[in-house]
Amino acid sequence: GESVGLHLPTLSVQEGDNSIINCAYSNSASDYFIWYKQESGKGPQFIIDIRSNMDKRQGQRVTVLLNKTVKHLSLQIAATQPGDSAVYFCAETANDYKLSFGAGTTVTVRA
Amino acid sequence: KAGVTQTPRYLIKTRGQQVTLSCSPISGHRSVSWYQQTPGQGLQFLFEYFSETQRNKGNFPGRFSGRQFSNSRSEMNVSTLELGDSALYLCASSPRGGTGIYEQYFGPGTRLTVT
Repeated sequence: GESVGLHLPTLSVQEGDNSIINCAYSNSASDYFIWYKQESGKGPQFIIDIRSNMDKRQGQRVTVLLNKTVKHLSLQIAATQPGDSAVYFCAETANDYKLSFGAGTTVTVRA
Repeated sequence: KAGVTQTPRYLIKTRGQQVTLSCSPISGHRSVSWYQQTPGQGLQFLFEYFSETQRNKGNFPGRFSGRQFSNSRSEMNVSTLELGDSALYLCASSPRGGTGIYEQYFGPGTRLTVT
């Protein structure tokens, strides 16, 4: 079936640098996208979302970019901090409550 | 506002047994979804309940079932456990208020180990 996937399974970033996490999706009917952060021993934590009628959305230190033409989603984290170390998942849905998740990218922040 | 709570947090069962997991959504949230997370398959959707009715279902065998109560609390049941059912089972709640926003808020999960 169709699925959402991440380009890289791991990302190592120097503290203070910006991080970019990528995600490709294949379901052209996807209308809503979410980025989640999962720390060890915890459930996924909502970071930011974006609807398909937008191409950019900003939150606190995070920006999500959506390119529907190439079915690509990215999460940018500004000034990465040690607390940003976690697994990041993109998820998509076609206007329902059935989220399809990518495989996840493990971000490690180097001091 | 309290988050999503799941009980128990850890569970060890034997093959062939059955198990029931419980989830209490965020107050006011009426939709509850369940996901299975494993290292090999990642996060996979099991089912979603709203107003005590299953509204969405993933591709899992009939051994996996669930229900929702009038207070929005939900339970999921797995019968005839197999080793491959060992996973983190996550519950997520959503307001489902017709706003077209489908964000879901996750609980800490129940770690099920089948031996």
